[in-house]
Amino acid sequence: EPEVTQTPSHQVTQMGQEVILRCVPISNHLYFYWYRQILGQKVEFLVSFYNNEISEKSEIFDDQFSVERPDGSNFTLKIRSTKLEDSAMYFCASRKGQGTSYEQYFGPGTRLTVT
Amino acid sequence: SQKIEQNSEALNIQEGKTATLTCNYTNYSPAYLQWYRQDPGRGPVFLLLIRENEKEKRKERLKVTFDTTLKQSLFHITASQPADSATYLCALTAYGNNRLAFGKGNQVVVIP
Repeated sequence: EPEVTQTPSHQVTQMGQEVILRCVPISNHLYFYWYRQILGQKVEFLVSFYNNEISEKSEIFDDQFSVERPDGSNFTLKIRSTKLEDSAMYFCASRKGQGTSYEQYFGPGTRLTVT
Repeated sequence: SQKIEQNSEALNIQEGKTATLTCNYTNYSPAYLQWYRQDPGRGPVFLLLIRENEKEKRKERLKVTFDTTLKQSLFHITASQPADSATYLCALTAYGNNRLAFGKGNQVVVIP
């Protein structure tokens, strides 16, 4: 069964450094998402991406964040200058988006630790 | 402000019994509501989706109800098994957007 994959599984970085989190969504899916989950808290929406552009973003997704689909398979989240409060699990998700398929399929996550 | 509330206390239940979880929301007009399962350190896994014009959905041992008047969804696991132990997340999608807004989740522990 097709799955969303994410790399790396764990990233440790120093405050102020740039990080790129990578995702490979399910191949025939059209909508792509990033969410984050701070330890012990709820899963929070960051951004959605469709047809090679951002379709929606939350107030968390400020100028420090960017997303890109550099080729036909990868979907990346870049954090330009990491802060301590960016430490969280980051989940990529994808949705087929055809007809009435509204369920989202999540990857295993990347644990980002900012020191 | 918009809220999605799930019981913060873990539900401990004997194997074979029915687990029932509640999701209440305020200040949302959801187009549809979904339930996901999350295991520790893992991503959410889709379980069921119910639309705002549907009252009930079933899938194997799972059942979801949706009452837009009460602004509430109930999620049932019948004949619960230890493998059902996990955190269950309620998620709403409002008209006009496609983001998922999650509740904090409700942990279920099935005791053998």
